[in-house]
Amino acid sequence: DTGVSQDPRHKITKRGQNVTFRCDPISEHNRLYWYRQTLGQGPEFLTYFQNEAQLEKSRLLSDRFSAERPKGSFSTLEIQRTEQGDSAMYLCASSFVGLEQFFGPGTRLTVL
Amino acid sequence: KNEVEQSPQNLTAQEGEFITINCSYSVGISALHWLQQHPGGGIVSLFMLSSGKKKHGRLIATINIQEKHSSLHITASHPRDSAVYICAVGYNNNDMRFGAGTRLTVKP
Repeated sequence: DTGVSQDPRHKITKRGQNVTFRCDPISEHNRLYWYRQTLGQGPEFLTYFQNEAQLEKSRLLSDRFSAERPKGSFSTLEIQRTEQGDSAMYLCASSFVGLEQFFGPGTRLTVL
Repeated sequence: KNEVEQSPQNLTAQEGEFITINCSYSVGISALHWLQQHPGGGIVSLFMLSSGKKKHGRLIATINIQEKHSSLHITASHPRDSAVYICAVGYNNNDMRFGAGTRLTVKP
């Protein structure tokens, strides 16, 4: 399968713990995006990378959130000191510049 | 107010019916996307369009740039079409804004 993959698919954690999610994009794609989706809502943009450069971050991305794409391939999204409001589906997508985005299956985070 | 408005929020249809989902947006865009999301979260891109009309199988997407409006049509609907359909608009900086989605249920 050469689509976008995300790991883990589900994560349950206690409030205050740190969590890290991984996204492996389609290998040729130079753009990688992170989105957050809460129940009953459409996805919200968090950040995106072009190759290894993080080009834009949403105001939703507080200082507890950090994303990296160290070699321009896979990306990680870390949330420090998780809060119950962080519970959501975290979606990753990849694309060529200006072309359609391909989405991964998402990581569902539950903060207890 | 969401930049992207979809209607209806929920739609129930009988198998075989013609379905229309609408999307309106408030500012100029570089492209509009229609996405399908099944239970469990996976999102599939159905269409990306910046003008006119596109067709893929039983799905048709249209966009009117002047009116800032797009529609997704499903002909001869089938229970397997049941999903959430999301409209998203893209801007030149590659940012995207998503609608809240339309939950479609097609009954046999």
